[in-house]
Amino acid sequence: DADVTQTPRNRITKTGKRIMLECSQTKGHDRMYWYRQDPGLGLRLIYYSFDVKDINKGEISDGYSVSRQAQAKFSLSLESAIPNQTALYFCATRGTGVLNTEAFFGQGTRLTVV
Amino acid sequence: AQSVTQLGSHVSVSEGALVLLRCNYSSSVPPYLFWYVQYPNQGLQLLLKYTTGATLVKGINGFEAEFKKSETSFHLTKPSAHMSDAAEYFCAVGTGNQFYFGTGTSLTVIP
Repeated sequence: DADVTQTPRNRITKTGKRIMLECSQTKGHDRMYWYRQDPGLGLRLIYYSFDVKDINKGEISDGYSVSRQAQAKFSLSLESAIPNQTALYFCATRGTGVLNTEAFFGQGTRLTVV
Repeated sequence: AQSVTQLGSHVSVSEGALVLLRCNYSSSVPPYLFWYVQYPNQGLQLLLKYTTGATLVKGINGFEAEFKKSETSFHLTKPSAHMSDAAEYFCAVGTGNQFYFGTGTSLTVIP
């Protein structure tokens, strides 16, 4: 099983609908991140969380919200989806300390808003 | 604020030729530096990282990168390209809290 699991892997939704993307991890990491990837723009940070009670906005948080239900679960919601939120979304985790500097990524969720 | 610049959004090399993917960063503090690879329909996989110590770091699949502080660069190289190296490559800078990614370089390997 993957260390970082995202569901669904693909989703098509209509403009105005609420949608939730889910992420769960088995790495025991406290830090979790949501990114979106667009062609030519790389990965941009939406939200991040360092523990269940800690939620922080990233550079492109408008139109999104998150919930950290447990250490292992971090969900991203689009309250009212719009077409320019069509993108590839990644969840990532990271441990703490100097030996745990890198991020571990899920397989991604491809979201299409029509 | 951190920024990461990858020169060349598309790079093509012949099979067996040298691969060189360029990355420059700006950072106000000593950074952690990473290269990730993304194959089609997959997530990002760590190729290699620099944290401290030796400035030439070796990664998986024969890739290596050299941290040059004076040039604020972390270029990725591989002596001989293989068809399986065709993918998207991302350079990233890590701070205590966040990661900052470049816009990616798509590598094509020509038979």
